[in-house]
Amino acid sequence: AQSVTQLGSHVSVSEGALVLLRCNYSSSVPPYLFWYVQYPNQGLQLLLKYTSAATLVKGINGFEAEFKKSETSFHLTKPSAHMSDAAEYFCAVTPFGNEKLTFGTGTRLTIIP
Amino acid sequence: GAVVSQHPSRVICKSGTSVKIECRSLDFQATTMFWYRQFPKQSLMLMATSNEGSKATYEQGVEKDKFLINHASLTLSTLTVTSAHPEDSSFYICSAYRGGEDTQYFGPGTRLTVL
Repeated sequence: AQSVTQLGSHVSVSEGALVLLRCNYSSSVPPYLFWYVQYPNQGLQLLLKYTSAATLVKGINGFEAEFKKSETSFHLTKPSAHMSDAAEYFCAVTPFGNEKLTFGTGTRLTIIP
Repeated sequence: GAVVSQHPSRVICKSGTSVKIECRSLDFQATTMFWYRQFPKQSLMLMATSNEGSKATYEQGVEKDKFLINHASLTLSTLTVTSAHPEDSSFYICSAYRGGEDTQYFGPGTRLTVL
């Protein structure tokens, strides 16, 4: 069985500051891990994914995430926040790409001007 | 990235009526599509897995006779909410699995309001 825990339902950072969104997972098999972003009243857009290749994954819009097996973590970071980054972010896990995704509860990111 | 569309984007209906939502993969073929439901300010919960040419697999607690899923082609899956009631009001999002990238891509969602 898989599960995801996202610490912090709300995160606020100043424009230009580091963004760090936390995700810890539980999986009985080597996982596929994803970060998706959701803007209000829209679907989910894929930011990046980990599928057992490089542990440091680079995604779109300057985001990246590092898979740490020893810590069962897949935290999302961005060096410098932009106003357009304000959205809801979901971490998700699956044992295989074509199986259901198990989502975390989401983190709402607010950017302070 | 791959493109997945949903139609309609918003629908308002009266209690007791049925509503059909379409999910299409526009630039790839998807043998597997998924239907999720999202309540306000909450995460996504899988309702069912839809495989082309076969019956959908429903998650525990999801009424298959109420939420009818048809995956008749490699680019189209439909979700029909039968005899809709106000408690069915929600945001319904589909995803399509793109095998070449081993990734699910999501549609823009359909907001259903049942009066």
